[in-house]
Amino acid sequence: EAQVTQNPRYLITVTGKKLTVTCSQNMNHEYMSWYRQDPGLGLRQIYYSMNVEVTDKGDVPEGYKVSRKEKRNFPLILESPSPNQTSLYFCASSQTGLSYEQYFGPGTRLTVT
Amino acid sequence: DAKTTQPPSMDCAEGRAANLPCNHSTISGNEYVYWYRQIHSQGPQYIIHGLKNNETNEMASLIITEDRKSSTLILPHATLRDTAVYYCIVRVVPGGYGGSQGNLIFGKGTKLSVKP
Repeated sequence: EAQVTQNPRYLITVTGKKLTVTCSQNMNHEYMSWYRQDPGLGLRQIYYSMNVEVTDKGDVPEGYKVSRKEKRNFPLILESPSPNQTSLYFCASSQTGLSYEQYFGPGTRLTVT
Repeated sequence: DAKTTQPPSMDCAEGRAANLPCNHSTISGNEYVYWYRQIHSQGPQYIIHGLKNNETNEMASLIITEDRKSSTLILPHATLRDTAVYYCIVRVVPGGYGGSQGNLIFGKGTKLSVKP
């Protein structure tokens, strides 16, 4: 089954404790991206990757890092999480950046205290 | 990308057609209309897209006006499982490798409530 998976689905952590949210897709897609969703602000893109070793900033990249060492994986790294990064995070993938359909993961709800 | 305007909420009776409008009066010639939906905090799901002709797939129909300034998503027989927030998005033509154009700009969408 074609899918995007994220782990963990729920995470509660404390300020400053480094964490990684993993994202994996099984569709051999070149394009992957991360969004965060906050009430009243909608979904906003954090980072995207057009292919292995090619990443770039989205609209709200501050406080986040990403890497794309393999085509299927695109982890989101918060090196020193802060409470304003409490949010619902989605990973998405598509064949290319302009493909008509993007596939979204189930989401990771992160709470930073 | 052109801006879209959607009503914040709509109700629909189960089994009836749900017609969700979207205004995109500043759409340019190389921009498609896309619809996604998000069921209660799940990941957004692609529904359909179109340029200027009406489109239909197994999920929905998309009607785009001749001047392309507005469109309507039609769910022909709405079920309770169609209760979701529906997003109308306008973006450039598919193809190529994108990059920053891969960023989907989600507005506030329309919250559709399908009632028994």
